[in-house]
Amino acid sequence: ETGVTQSPTHLIKTRGQQVTLRCSSQSGHNTVSWYQQALGQGPQFIFQYYREEENGRGNFPPRFSGLQFPNYSSELNVNALELDDSALYLCASSLEGPTDTQYFGPGTRLTVL
Amino acid sequence: DAKTTQPNSMESNEEEPVHLPCNHSTISGTDYIHWYRQLPSQGPEYVIHGLTSNVNNRMASLAIAEDRKSSTLILHRATLRDAAVYYCILRRYNQGGKLIFGQGTELSVKP
Repeated sequence: ETGVTQSPTHLIKTRGQQVTLRCSSQSGHNTVSWYQQALGQGPQFIFQYYREEENGRGNFPPRFSGLQFPNYSSELNVNALELDDSALYLCASSLEGPTDTQYFGPGTRLTVL
Repeated sequence: DAKTTQPNSMESNEEEPVHLPCNHSTISGTDYIHWYRQLPSQGPEYVIHGLTSNVNNRMASLAIAEDRKSSTLILHRATLRDAAVYYCILRRYNQGGKLIFGQGTELSVKP
């Protein structure tokens, strides 16, 4: 069984650009959650997808959007990047629905200049 | 969302037990207590969780106070690999699956 993988590992963008981050869940996991972790802080919940439907959202603006695909892989899209979007973006997958244990990937480090 | 309070940092010696405390005085009856840890340059890793009774697994033990207002994560023999930030999280299952992370406790382990 492979773990949760994320791509790319690192990314540098400039303010105003758009970015897409990708997450490949563990095999059979039907739920994916995305978190943003600023330097020195704990992760903050962005949103969760369960069987391709959004299942909850944190306090993030609409320019943060996501998708979950039929194979349960997922994307996080951020439009109109701001400097404060610089952070580690983590995805986590769960096997048996939204309340099951979450298994995290290593994250994508996004730097916005 | 119920809040947890943890010390910012703790130190331990290798091969000694470590007791990581967490206060959660506003916990409700449906809140599970979860612990995750985050090693340097990695995503968080599930450690253990419980509701009312003490729990043991291969990684750690979780001791929950009788009134559930506090809990302690116990690492029985700390190794250098246990140096990480440990997060105590309350998870209310009837309100969806999000994890609400606080600042956590940064554990350093000395050889």
